[in-house]
Amino acid sequence: EAQVTQNPRYLITVTGKKLTVTCSQNMNHEYMSWYRQDPGLGLRQIYYSMNVEVTDKGDVPEGYKVSRKEKRNFPLILESPSPNQTSLYFCASSLQGYYNEQFFGPGTRLTVL
Amino acid sequence: AQTVTQSQPEMSVQEAETVTLSCTYDTSESDYYLFWYKQPPSRQMILVIRQEAYKQQNATENRFSVNFQKAAKSFSLKISDSQLGDAAMYFCAYRTNFGNEKLTFGTGTRLTIIP
Repeated sequence: EAQVTQNPRYLITVTGKKLTVTCSQNMNHEYMSWYRQDPGLGLRQIYYSMNVEVTDKGDVPEGYKVSRKEKRNFPLILESPSPNQTSLYFCASSLQGYYNEQFFGPGTRLTVL
Repeated sequence: AQTVTQSQPEMSVQEAETVTLSCTYDTSESDYYLFWYKQPPSRQMILVIRQEAYKQQNATENRFSVNFQKAAKSFSLKISDSQLGDAAMYFCAYRTNFGNEKLTFGTGTRLTIIP
C-alpha cells in the first residue's frame, strides 16, 4: 500500500531532551516536506527536500533540523525541544512538480513540557 | 509571498443540503495549483479536489466542486448533498510552481453536519 508513515504518533517529552520524528514513504517520491499544524494558523512548512541530500528551510525552521540521506526517509530532529514546539507535525511527499498531490503521513502529536 | 485566507472559521449545514466554503489567496504568479484538503477527526489530510490556474473550467469530483475566479483570486468549495462523513476541517492550499513548490495553507474551516 502506497503510504507515508511517521513515528511516533504521540510523544510527550521534556524541555531540552533531543528527539527525532521519523518519516518514510514507499512511493519513490523526490519531494518531501515537514509541516506543523497549530490552532488558528493552519499548516506551516518547516523544511523541505527536493531530492536526496537537497534540503532547505521553509517558513518556520528555527529549532528544527532535517536530513535526507535516502530517498524514502526524511527525519525531523529537535535537538533541544522547547514548549513552543508543542504541535501536530505532518510529513508529506510527492513527485516533483507543483501539480502533483502531496501525500500526508498520519501526523505526530508532540507535547514538550 | 503567497497568502491564503479562509474567513469562515466554522460552518454548519443540514444533512443533504449544499454548503459553500470560501477561500481567497494573494499571489503575483500566473501559474499555480489550488487544492482543498479535508481533515476528519482522525487528523489524516485527504485531498478533496485540485484546480490548475490555467484551466478556466471548474474542477468537479462527485459531490465536490469548486468555483475558481482567477481574477478575483477566489477558490470556493461547494459540497452538494452533504453527508455526515463530510464533517471535518477543510483547508484551502496554494502550491507554487517556483522554488520550493511548497503548499501554503489557509487557517481552515470546521464544517459541522446537522442530522
